[in-house]
Amino acid sequence: QVQLVQSGAEVKKPGASVKVSCQASGYPFTDYYIHWLRLAPGHGLEWMGWVYPSTGGTNSPQKFQGRVTMTRDTSISTVYMDLSGLTSDDTAVYYCARDFEYSSSSGYFNNWGQGTLVTVAS
Amino acid sequence: QSALTQPASVSGSPGQPITISCTGTSGDVGAYNYVAWYQQYPGKPPKLIIYDVTNRPSGVSHRFSGSKSGNTASLTISGLQTEDEADYFCSSYTRDSVPWVFGGGTRLTVL
Repeated sequence: QVQLVQSGAEVKKPGASVKVSCQASGYPFTDYYIHWLRLAPGHGLEWMGWVYPSTGGTNSPQKFQGRVTMTRDTSISTVYMDLSGLTSDDTAVYYCARDFEYSSSSGYFNNWGQGTLVTVAS
Repeated sequence: QSALTQPASVSGSPGQPITISCTGTSGDVGAYNYVAWYQQYPGKPPKLIIYDVTNRPSGVSHRFSGSKSGNTASLTISGLQTEDEADYFCSSYTRDSVPWVFGGGTRLTVL
């Protein structure tokens, strides 16, 4: 079955960077977009961007451009999300999620990682 | 501040129907039939239960249904069960710079 397994919780100081990994299994890794989202306390979900493992192409909203880097390693079916310039507002649970549709970015997320808590505190 | 507005909480008794609303604008919910709903239990990732306003992914109970009128989408759960107690989030495609936006989530309590 489709599985996405994320790296463990992180505690970072303001200004630092964090890199979260997401290893996929159970399907052809290069055939589906992988999205990154986060859920912060008291806030709803927030979409941070996608990476297409087939080409390495990425897209993210302007809010995160310059701060987020998404990459993939096809040899180990893993995508990474690197977020720099952390502030307390970045404290959240970060999720990777596979797109619902084959080879397309539908914006529907039907397979999720377990989540990675990132805490930013001095 | 979430882009889509949901009630913070709703409650109902077992066997009753419940409806959760999700209000957007003419630039998102009102413009596109690309609304989704997710169910999330504490400490677990969200689960897609409705997409394209009304469609259910394979394996999702028929007790969950979606609809839309104008700028407001709705999730209806018929015949509430205790296992339905969870958080529910809506999402929509939008013509804004961020292609997908979400509601703040609704906590459903089954009394």
